[in-house]
Amino acid sequence: SQKIEQNSEALNIQEGKTATLTCNYTNYSPAYLQWYRQDPGRGPVFLLLIRENEKEKRKERLKVTFDTTLKQSLFHITASQPADSATYLCALDRGTYKYIFGTGTRLKVLA
Amino acid sequence: GAGVSQSPSNKVTEKGKDVELRCDPISGHTALYWYRQSLGQGLEFLIYFQGNSAPDKSGLPSDRFSAERTGGSVSTLTIQRTQQEDSAVYLCASSLPPGLMYNEQFFGPGTRLTVL
Repeated sequence: SQKIEQNSEALNIQEGKTATLTCNYTNYSPAYLQWYRQDPGRGPVFLLLIRENEKEKRKERLKVTFDTTLKQSLFHITASQPADSATYLCALDRGTYKYIFGTGTRLKVLA
Repeated sequence: GAGVSQSPSNKVTEKGKDVELRCDPISGHTALYWYRQSLGQGLEFLIYFQGNSAPDKSGLPSDRFSAERTGGSVSTLTIQRTQQEDSAVYLCASSLPPGLMYNEQFFGPGTRLTVL
């Protein structure tokens, strides 16, 4: 079955630096890969989606890459700010409706 | 318009009691999902509704769990004879039908269930 690995350890970075989070999967390549942000006590909020035939997607300070050979997606936040501190989840979709979520990586941006 | 709403926000119950969790999806969203998130864990898929089709119940952990969706809108997740391991945050999400746009899911704030 499909497994998703996200770094369970928290990532601490200095304000202004680029944060890079990793999402690795073990089995089939998904049709879509999504990234969500989750703040404590709240539901996840959709950030970006990348399709299997796309290498890179950008939105403001966010960038997602997708390498189907490495079975990996990288999520970058440039010029990070303390307000970016949250847990970031990746989710895989085969093109059906059923999503598989990773456990998330907690990011803390230090002022 | 309003986002996905869930009630109650917190529920404390005694082991063996039944609980009902409610989800109001975004108007016009025909797809509705229930997930469970335990402390430090990812989202665990429970059940999926799409329009009038039969729901996909493959993620329900036991027959103590059931869900229904009335009129293609509001959904209720019922847990019978609750156990302590049922303690978690139960999240509901809705989206447009698969195949439209990004299949982006809009999540509610969740219901935190504590079974004593």
